[in-house]
Order: sequence, then C-alpha cells, then structure tokens
Amino acid sequence: EIVMTQSPATLSVSPGERATLSCRASQSVTSNLAWYQQKPGQAPRLLIYGASNRATGIPARFSGSGSGTEFTLTISSLQSEDFAVYYCQQYNNWPPNTFGPGTKVDIK
Amino acid sequence: EVQLVQSGAEVKKPGESLKISCKGSGYSFSSYWIGWVRQMPGKGLEWMGIIFPGDSDTTKYSPSFQGQVTISADKSISTAYLQWSSLKASDTAMYYCARRWGFIAPADYWGQGTLVTVSS
Repeated sequence: EIVMTQSPATLSVSPGERATLSCRASQSVTSNLAWYQQKPGQAPRLLIYGASNRATGIPARFSGSGSGTEFTLTISSLQSEDFAVYYCQQYNNWPPNTFGPGTKVDIK
Repeated sequence: EVQLVQSGAEVKKPGESLKISCKGSGYSFSSYWIGWVRQMPGKGLEWMGIIFPGDSDTTKYSPSFQGQVTISADKSISTAYLQWSSLKASDTAMYYCARRWGFIAPADYWGQGTLVTVSS
C-alpha cells in the first residue's frame, strides 16, 4: 500500500498571504495525484487532478505541481473561504487509492 | 447539473444490518465509476471500494473493507449502495459516495454524506 504523508499538519496563514502545502508518496504515483478541500460539515471538493490541473470552477489562485513522489499545492493569496483541511490522494495504485492525513489551514 | 444525493442519517444497534444509497443524476450513471469513502469522527478520508455501474461485476474493495461491506449498483435507477450485514460500533462514521470518470481518476463529484451511528 502506498503511504501518503502531508506537511505541515497545521498551517497558520494571514488572509492575502501565500500558503504552500506538501504531499509525499512512499513510492512513485507518476502524476496521478489529486488535492481536495474539505470545510467543516461539508463533503470534500476536488481542486487539482493530474498533479497540476485545476478542476472545473476552481480559482486560479490554486495551483499544483510535482510528480513521482513529491507534490505541492500552492494557494497564492488566501481568501477567507480557503480556510479548510486539504487532502492529497494518489489514484495511481489500487488497492487502495490512499489519502494523506490532511493539512489544516487556519487563520493566523 | 451532476448531483449525487445520498440517503439520510441512520442510527443502528450493533449487529443490525444496513444499506445506504447514493442516487446519481445529470450524467450517464452507467459510464462512470462510483466509490465509497469513510470518514470516522474527527479523522481523515479512506477509500472503501468502487464499482462500475455499467458492469456491476466490476467491483473493487480496499483490503481493509473487503468482506466487511458490500458495494452494489442498480443502473436502472442510477443508484449505488453500501451495505453491512452486521454493524459494529466502529462503523460509526460519515460515508460519502463519489464519482470517478475512470478507474485511474480522481473523484470529481461527491454526495453530501450519510452519517451512520452505531450504538447500543
């Protein structure tokens, strides 16, 4: 099973600042990596797929990069609605398609 | 508009059976995979399994959930199911269904979630 790790566990950021979230896979997942946003009481929402492609309707301030085992999600200028938990997920290998433990982005 | 609408919250006792549902609309239900994701209270996300409704024999389970749950689908009514034959307290969680455009693909649309509480 591929193990996904995310860092940091919590990121405190001021509105308007840049946030950089990291995700690492225990073995290569090529570019089959997605990022999701989850707000309290809501279902996850797909932000990025294929490591760097924004999903439909996702603002341009969200960008993804990386391949193989190292990935990054960048939020260029945090808005109030971006404070949430962010999960990476590999879908290259089944079983299973594993999620990372999440990074909580909160207000500094 | 693509929508996945899940059945309502359930409160059950240990040992009881349960079947929850996820109804798709706004797209060709038979042409996309549907998966189930567990989120235990205050915890992260776990894929349980996925099914291709166009061929319901094509069902894949994560090892942790193999034999513990059954995933099925009825393409005639665009609905996927997740069922337990004997619930445990540790099954208490939020369960999400999610659509995937391929086997090697992310989940692009999600249901609103079904909260299952198992308590004596």
